[in-house]
Amino acid sequence: DAKTTQPPSMDCAEGRAANLPCNHSTISGNEYVYWYRQIHSQGPQYIIHGLKNNETNEMASLIITEDRKSSTLILPHATLRDTAVYYCIVRATGGGNKLTFGTGTQLKVEL
Amino acid sequence: DAGITQSPRHKVTETGTPVTLRCHQTENHRYMYWYRQDPGHGLRLIHYSYGVKDTDKGEVSDGYSVSRSKTEDFLLTLESATSSQTSVYFCAISESASGRKDTQYFGPGTRLTVL
Repeated sequence: DAKTTQPPSMDCAEGRAANLPCNHSTISGNEYVYWYRQIHSQGPQYIIHGLKNNETNEMASLIITEDRKSSTLILPHATLRDTAVYYCIVRATGGGNKLTFGTGTQLKVEL
Repeated sequence: DAGITQSPRHKVTETGTPVTLRCHQTENHRYMYWYRQDPGHGLRLIHYSYGVKDTDKGEVSDGYSVSRSKTEDFLLTLESATSSQTSVYFCAISESASGRKDTQYFGPGTRLTVL
């Protein structure tokens, strides 16, 4: 699975959009980009994933660059409850199916 | 949220004792996983199951065994607990192993302390 690079921490004002970047320059053609988050002491929570097209669901939007070497997770209106560690994971489907979590980005949403 | 429960949620035990953690799901998903999370290591896959009585090893399987006699239950057993197995254990489930249905959903975790 391709390696990902994320900033270790980011701050965001409540009500504003939080844009979390992820670099995955060695991504292969069959690898998806997944985003999870983990609020302190809770289990990881699935947010969204995509292959090459931009995706949107009730939680967030995922923007993948045309060359697929980077992506951005957008939380359109961040709230205090969005404070968490956000993980960008790149992997192909099938096989052993394990998820490899890196160190992620600690997002702090403040008033 | 996916219907996943883990029990117990917290456990303190002594070195050398057997410990069994339970993961229960109400989603009828075929795949179930056990991970452990430790500072500096992220989540690491211990074992996974791709059906009743069908299991396979993950990257850190030594010292752990699993069993799945029913679709809804996946048990993780530490035959003789050691202090290095102090960790937070997460169960996850997925409907499939490929395609868009391979998204994994996680349970709330079990915090295990081995003294």
